[in-house]
Amino acid sequence: RKEVEQDPGPFNVPEGATVAFNCTYSNSASQSFFWYRQDCRKEPKLLMSVYSSGNEDGRFTAQLNRASQYISLLIRDSKLSDSATYLCVVNRNGDMRFGAGTRLTVKP
Amino acid sequence: GAGVSQSPSNKVTEKGKDVELRCDPISGHTALYWYRQSLGQGLEFLIYFQGNSAPDKSGLPSDRFSAERTGGSVSTLTIQRTQQEDSAVYLCASSLARQGEQYFGPGTRLTVT
Repeated sequence: RKEVEQDPGPFNVPEGATVAFNCTYSNSASQSFFWYRQDCRKEPKLLMSVYSSGNEDGRFTAQLNRASQYISLLIRDSKLSDSATYLCVVNRNGDMRFGAGTRLTVKP
Repeated sequence: GAGVSQSPSNKVTEKGKDVELRCDPISGHTALYWYRQSLGQGLEFLIYFQGNSAPDKSGLPSDRFSAERTGGSVSTLTIQRTQQEDSAVYLCASSLARQGEQYFGPGTRLTVT
C-alpha cells in the first residue's frame, strides 16, 4: 500500500463547479500536511498548508481528519486556470511523501 | 526574495557519461531535498539534507547516484555512468524547517541518449 494515496482522476468539470479531492495517508505519526499544484511540465507549487482545524484561502478549503487519516481539498467556483494536477503531501519529521496527484481539467 | 534555483535547466548527455546537477536553495533554509519525476509520473524522493546531520539517502536508486551539500547551502547531485532510464526531470526543494512547506526549483530536464 502506498503511504499517500489519491484518486488520479481525471476530474473534468465545467467552470463554476465545485470539486473535491480526497487523499489518505497510512502513517499515523505524520505531522504536517500540504496541498501542492503542478502545472504541466512545471515544478510543484505550494497551494496551502492543511491545519487540524481546517483552513480556507479564497475559493480553496482544506481539511484534515487525523482519526480517519485523510485530507481533503475543496475548490469552489472553479476557474479555467485551476486546471492542474493537485498533489497531496504528508510530512513526518522531514520525510515528505507525495501522492501521485489528481488531475483536474476545468472546461468552459 | 530569490527562490530555489537549479542549473542547468536542460541537459542532454550520452549514455555512460557522468552529469552534475546543481541546486541553490532559498537562503536560510536548512532542509534540502532532491526528487526526480519521469514524464507523467509522481515525484520520486532521492535524498534529503537537514542542517549538518547525515543525509537521508534512502531514495537513491543505485550507487551511481550521489549528492553533497557544501557549507549547508548549495547542493550537487551527481549521476555516474548515466543510463537511458535516468532520463527525467530532477527537482530540488528547500524548506525552512523539518516540518515546513517545501519550495521547488524549476528542475533540470535530463535526457540520456
